[in-house]
Amino acid sequence: GQNIDQPTEMTATEGAIVQINCTYQTSGFNGLFWYQQHAGEAPTFLSYNVLDGLEEKGRFSSFLSRSKGYSYLLLKELQMKDSASYLCAVAPNTAAGTALIFGKGTTLSVSS
Amino acid sequence: DAGVIQSPRHEVTEMGQEVTLRCKPISGHDYLFWYRQTMMRGLELLIYFNNNVPIDDSGMPEDRFSAKMPNASFSTLKIQPSEPRDSAVYFCASSPGDRYEQYFGPGTRLTVT
Repeated sequence: GQNIDQPTEMTATEGAIVQINCTYQTSGFNGLFWYQQHAGEAPTFLSYNVLDGLEEKGRFSSFLSRSKGYSYLLLKELQMKDSASYLCAVAPNTAAGTALIFGKGTTLSVSS
Repeated sequence: DAGVIQSPRHEVTEMGQEVTLRCKPISGHDYLFWYRQTMMRGLELLIYFNNNVPIDDSGMPEDRFSAKMPNASFSTLKIQPSEPRDSAVYFCASSPGDRYEQYFGPGTRLTVT
């Protein structure tokens, strides 16, 4: 079956660094996405990994290990506005079409 | 670009009524997705289209749910008859192609009483 696991909640303080982990088990792998979702809003795209390694984009970085079925999202220099839910999503199909499977999300609370 | 447009933003209806949710994808995007989000189950894919053709509807919960995409700029998700357990936020998303990120609309918050 298809399964994506990530912690339900995390807390951190402003200026700190936080790592949100995601493990997955899917039939086939066509890439892993991270989305950010503020309360009451739509998910917005953060990053995409299809090859092993680290992708850096400003304060956010995403890592992938396909052999371990593992990814993490690293947030540096945390700000209050980073308080949100972070969704890990995997594209399992190798055929055309991107039907993402989403984890249930990690709610990050950043305090001052 | 206006982004993905959904209507209505909020819908409150009584059990047994028909509900129609609407979506306009971003122009030029070939893929359109319908999702449902609840606290218990998270974000679930219901159905997706490629070039207006339904590709995978295995996520549609039951026959009460149906979706159409009559042209490249419009899609509907219909629930008939609606039930209280259908209460959720329904998102539409579009994508320019395979292996590209999806752009989500603002969602429709559906409450069935």
